[in-house]
Amino acid sequence: KQEVTQIPAALSVPEGENLVLNCSFTDSAIYNLQWFRQDPGKGLTSLLLIQSSQREQTSGRLNASLDKSSGRSTLYIAASQPGDSATYLCVIQGAQKLVFGQGTRLTINP
Amino acid sequence: NAGVTQTPKFRVLKTGQSMTLLCAQDMNHEYMYWYRQDPGMGLRLIHYSVGEGTTAKGEVPDGYNVSRLKKQNFLLGLESAAPSQTSVYFCASSLPPAGQGFRKPQHFGDGTRLSIL
Repeated sequence: KQEVTQIPAALSVPEGENLVLNCSFTDSAIYNLQWFRQDPGKGLTSLLLIQSSQREQTSGRLNASLDKSSGRSTLYIAASQPGDSATYLCVIQGAQKLVFGQGTRLTINP
Repeated sequence: NAGVTQTPKFRVLKTGQSMTLLCAQDMNHEYMYWYRQDPGMGLRLIHYSVGEGTTAKGEVPDGYNVSRLKKQNFLLGLESAAPSQTSVYFCASSLPPAGQGFRKPQHFGDGTRLSIL
């Protein structure tokens, strides 16, 4: 059974810092790995999707990596801004369904 | 450009009451999903549908029923609400996972916050 773990559960950093969010998963047989953002009271917004055959994806200040052999992914956020404050979810796509991590709640302090 | 729309956004029920949550998508997606999100547990799949007229059970289907009479709509029903069903419910839609679907993320609605007293 696929399990997805995100560490830390919460993170607070000053504005402007670079930061890394971590995700680990137990089964390397995945179709893709996705990072979503969730703002309070809102749904999930897709940030990056890394296909099984890929190693990383970049979008603006965000970079996500995937290492299937070790069961790890990282989300790197450069030059953090207060608007980046949200919960970030790591999600694994299996054959029929998604498996969600519990998220990292990120706070960027001005 | 509505995407995935959920109604209602908030609801308070008494134990034993019934209700239906509505999800509508305008992206012509084949697959639709209902999840619940609880503190410390992440999102868990309740039921899903791979096309009009078909439904299947997810991880936590007990106490819920679903219907997909039209491709664009996916209904989640609670026949006799229980306090344990207090949660935030999310609907999502996607292309079929195989092929192009694995290259595209699911699209989520903004959620329905349901409290059962």
